[in-house]
Amino acid sequence: DQQVKQNSPSLSVQEGRISILNCDYTNSMFDYFLWYKKYPAEGPTFLISISSIKDKNEDGRFTVFLNKSAKHLSLHIVPSQPGDSAVYFCAVPSNTGKLIFGQGTTLQVKP
Amino acid sequence: NAGVTQTPKFRVLKTGQSMTLLCAQDMNHEYMYWYRQDPGMGLRLIHYSVGEGTTAKGEVPDGYNVSRLKKQNFLLGLESAAPSQTSVYFCASIANTEAFFGQGTRLTVV
Repeated sequence: DQQVKQNSPSLSVQEGRISILNCDYTNSMFDYFLWYKKYPAEGPTFLISISSIKDKNEDGRFTVFLNKSAKHLSLHIVPSQPGDSAVYFCAVPSNTGKLIFGQGTTLQVKP
Repeated sequence: NAGVTQTPKFRVLKTGQSMTLLCAQDMNHEYMYWYRQDPGMGLRLIHYSVGEGTTAKGEVPDGYNVSRLKKQNFLLGLESAAPSQTSVYFCASIANTEAFFGQGTRLTVV
């Protein structure tokens, strides 16, 4: 039973446009949500997080939105840059200590 | 400050062989994790530990064992490797909300 789902395996956008990556979750008790970015042959790196008491968190070009009623969060990157091309994972820490990841979305930003 | 270090980085095993992957962190984190990454499957949690001397099963624990004898080290063992365990393995440790990952171990079982 996948608790965190990223239903889009890939996304391609033009440089300068907005990239929107989506994530759905099943457990309404999660306290916060994380986004990670991964380049080939490297470990994932933390990108941005959001607490369940907020509906938006912004850090430069990256904004995460949380819709608790829909159990959905999204990551917006604007403007998108070629260096943003990577695999993006959403992740959720459970109250038992598990850190659960979605399947990932591969973003390609075309120059 | 090395962060999270995984050894080895690459390994080829024959079916039935055993090996141990080592994860070391120098950040005094309590929580540590082992994941495997396969195409289209994302990062799947194998085992994790919430402190020295404790371990717990994740989503895909079968065929793996772990130990956390020291706080800074989390070992992942394969007792009898199978081709289905060909994957890239990542270790992570967590502080508050942020997880720090190692560079990964690419394991091929032939």
